[in-house]
Amino acid sequence: GAGVSQSPSNKVTEKGKDVELRCDPISGHTALYWYRQSLGQGLEFLIYFQGNSAPDKSGLPSDRFSAERTGGSVSTLTIQRTQQEDSAVYLCASSLATGYEQYFGPGTRLTVT
Amino acid sequence: GENVEQHPSTLSVQEGDSAVIKCTYSDSASNYFPWYKQELGKRPQLIIDIRSNVGEKKDQRIAVTLNKTAKHFSLHITETQPEDSAVYFCAASITSGGYQKVTFGTGTKLQVIP
Repeated sequence: GAGVSQSPSNKVTEKGKDVELRCDPISGHTALYWYRQSLGQGLEFLIYFQGNSAPDKSGLPSDRFSAERTGGSVSTLTIQRTQQEDSAVYLCASSLATGYEQYFGPGTRLTVT
Repeated sequence: GENVEQHPSTLSVQEGDSAVIKCTYSDSASNYFPWYKQELGKRPQLIIDIRSNVGEKKDQRIAVTLNKTAKHFSLHITETQPEDSAVYFCAASITSGGYQKVTFGTGTKLQVIP
């Protein structure tokens, strides 16, 4: 079946511009996560959605970052007024429920020039 | 909050030897411990996981052990092969009341030398 998909795969933007990154989770998965991975680094948790509950935003690095999940499915991560330090691969993952395997998408490589 | 430490950060082994990666966690409420493998340029993929009611789990050449008292868990890869070369991440997860908090370790870069 279809896995987690993300778009775009690559995004180059100028400093100060806003960007939107999209994640399509596996159908039926109630949990959705966003992570950031800088080159050669680990997985930095950003935000977690679980069903209709309020999202866990504790990992968002600043108020320039926001995310929403519409209809319990597709999620969009928005970064406003991008900075060079925002350059990284943004990974989305979904899982069937809490306490289950996370399936990762291919990521969006964001480059801020 | 939960803190997960992972060691070593890099590991080189000869093909056929065993590799061991260790993680410690701080929150005794953590009850789910997955391990992910990330090959260069690819997405992380689950290779094995263990829950807090189990002490050891094996899947062919891969095994994970959990010591709840000491709050540490380890990944063991036997008879390593070049295709095992990748970055491995451990994670500790608290699942309670339909909510999950996952904390990843910083990763171990494993190199298997042919």
